[in-house]
Amino acid sequence: QVQLVESGGGVVQPGRSLRLSCAVSGFIFTNYGMHWVRQAPGKGLEWVAVVWNDGSYQYYADSVKGRFTISRDDSKNTLYLQMHSLRAEDTAVYYCARNYYIDFWGQGTLVTVSS
Amino acid sequence: QAVVTQEPSVTVSPGGTVTLTCGSSTGAVTSGHYPSWFQQRPGQAPRTLIYDTSNKHSWTPARFSGSLLGGKAALTLSGAQPEDEADYYCLFSYSGSRVFGGGTKLTVL
Repeated sequence: QVQLVESGGGVVQPGRSLRLSCAVSGFIFTNYGMHWVRQAPGKGLEWVAVVWNDGSYQYYADSVKGRFTISRDDSKNTLYLQMHSLRAEDTAVYYCARNYYIDFWGQGTLVTVSS
Repeated sequence: QAVVTQEPSVTVSPGGTVTLTCGSSTGAVTSGHYPSWFQQRPGQAPRTLIYDTSNKHSWTPARFSGSLLGGKAALTLSGAQPEDEADYYCLFSYSGSRVFGGGTKLTVL
């Protein structure tokens, strides 16, 4: 069965960096584009970034452009989100999601940016 | 970046029918925005209901349907059940990037 498992969340100080991972299984990773989506506490969903199935294209929300980088390691069946210059407003549960139109979701990992 | 607008809250009676909508700040919503709809119950990850305007996944209850209506994307629930009480989000594609709507809190009462 399709599984997406996020990891790497935690508490980080403002201005610091953090890398999230999403390990996938149950499908052919290279056939699918992948997204990161986040949800601040008590708020709605916010799309963060997408990477094409072959890694050729990446798109970002304006709120993270220039600070976050989405990437993938097909040999490890893993999606990444490298986050730099973190701000309090980046505090959220971060979900990875499969496919351009999003079909499957992970359970999320919580990132808290606080001093 | 475009803004996607949803009704903040909607109430439906058990067994009733309700339509949630999503509009785009860029103009009429078309199939080229590839509208998708997601359900999120409290404390849970989102679940995808509809993709590409009206396509359902194997797990999507038959009572949910998607369409374009009056320049907006629409999610119609026919025969609401208590378990349908949740937050609903739409997602549009804009030339590669994506934007979620602010979400609609659906109450079944």
